Amino acid sequence: EVQLLESGGDLVQPGGSLRISCEASGFTFSGYAMSWVRQAPGKGLEWVSDIRRNADNTHYADSVKGRFTISRDNSKNTLYLQMNSLRVEDTAVYYCTRDGFWDSWGQGTLVTVSS
Amino acid sequence: QSVLTQPPSASGTPGQRVTISCSGTRSNIGSNTVNWYQQLPGTAPRLLMYGNSQRPSGVPDRFSGSKSGTSASLAISGLRSEDEADYYCVSWDDSLNGYVFGVGTRVTVV
Repeated sequence: EVQLLESGGDLVQPGGSLRISCEASGFTFSGYAMSWVRQAPGKGLEWVSDIRRNADNTHYADSVKGRFTISRDNSKNTLYLQMNSLRVEDTAVYYCTRDGFWDSWGQGTLVTVSS
Repeated sequence: QSVLTQPPSASGTPGQRVTISCSGTRSNIGSNTVNWYQQLPGTAPRLLMYGNSQRPSGVPDRFSGSKSGTSASLAISGLRSEDEADYYCVSWDDSLNGYVFGVGTRVTVV
């Protein structure tokens, strides 16, 4: 069974940094590209970033470009999102999902940016 | 502001057919496939349709998808109370070099 478990969400002050993680199991992690998708409270879904299987290519939404960095450790079956210069509008539940068709999702981790 | 345009709401009575539209441009829907996701309250999204019209295993055949030009649609026939949820379309955008979502459509069974 495919499982994705996000962690690391926290309350952070504006301008602060945070790294969230997504541990994968039940499939060959290194064989899939992965994405982060977020959802602000009461709002719709927003794609944040994706990374190819061997991390040789990444893409970012304009809203996070230059502030967020996606990475992965295939030896640990783990996806990361380093978030710097956080803004109030980055407050959201962050989901990791398996690329292809985003057929598997984690339960999400809440990142709150507030003073 | 979402790049793909969806109606904010749709409704129907049990057994009715409801259709949700998703309108884009040549750089997204016009050039790439569309996927649809269902999100029940308080839960993570669930893949409902991929490649415009392909249903993953486990998705009832009451759900169907289609695409024509720069627009796509999701149809729910035989509407049931458990179909009450938010529905999102998404596609890759060649100009933005990223995925773009619709704003989401809340389906209500009245």
